[in-house]
Amino acid sequence: EIVLTQSPGTLSLSPGERATLSCRASQSVSSSYLAWYQQKPGQAPRLLIYGASSRATGIPDRFSGSGSGTDFTLTISRLEPEDFAVYYCQQYGSSTFTFGPGTKVDIK
Amino acid sequence: QVQLVQSGAEVKKPGASVKVSCKVSGYTLTELSMHWVRQAPGKGLEWMGGFDPEDGETIYAQKFQGRVTMTEDTSTDTAYMELSSLRSEDTAVYYCATDLTTVGGWDYWGQGTLVTVSS
Repeated sequence: EIVLTQSPGTLSLSPGERATLSCRASQSVSSSYLAWYQQKPGQAPRLLIYGASSRATGIPDRFSGSGSGTDFTLTISRLEPEDFAVYYCQQYGSSTFTFGPGTKVDIK
Repeated sequence: QVQLVQSGAEVKKPGASVKVSCKVSGYTLTELSMHWVRQAPGKGLEWMGGFDPEDGETIYAQKFQGRVTMTEDTSTDTAYMELSSLRSEDTAVYYCATDLTTVGGWDYWGQGTLVTVSS
């Protein structure tokens, strides 16, 4: 089973700053099957990025995804107040989906 | 647009089973690949299983094999997830999730169903 590791665990930033979140896989992941989600307290996850770099419908262009192989990145170019949340990466491979443990982006 | 509406919260005793439903509207269940994800209080997301369109079969996470059953009633466009032999560690919010075109990522989620396992 592919294990996903996310770093940092917590990212403390101010609105307007750039956020860079990392997702590392224990073995190579197909870029077609790497996704990123945002989750706020009491809400279901929201798909941000699929296929490593494609934005889901309605997702602002300040969110971008990149990477391949074992290293993937979610970048939020300028944090808005509504972006403070927990972010998860997810992969699919060998008939199994796995999620990373999440990165919490909180207000500094 | 797909809408997923889940059944209400449940309280179960250890050893019991729970069956959570997920009603689809906007599309038919046969057009979708439904998955189930759970989240224990204060913890991360955990995939439990779902429909693999490549094989035409339901696949389960190894952790839940033998204890979870996912079924579909296409006449009512309702998906079900049944988890048996419940223990306190199964206390979690259970979500159904699916996608239309975002292969590998789920852009539609149910509202979640809290299952509490307590004696």
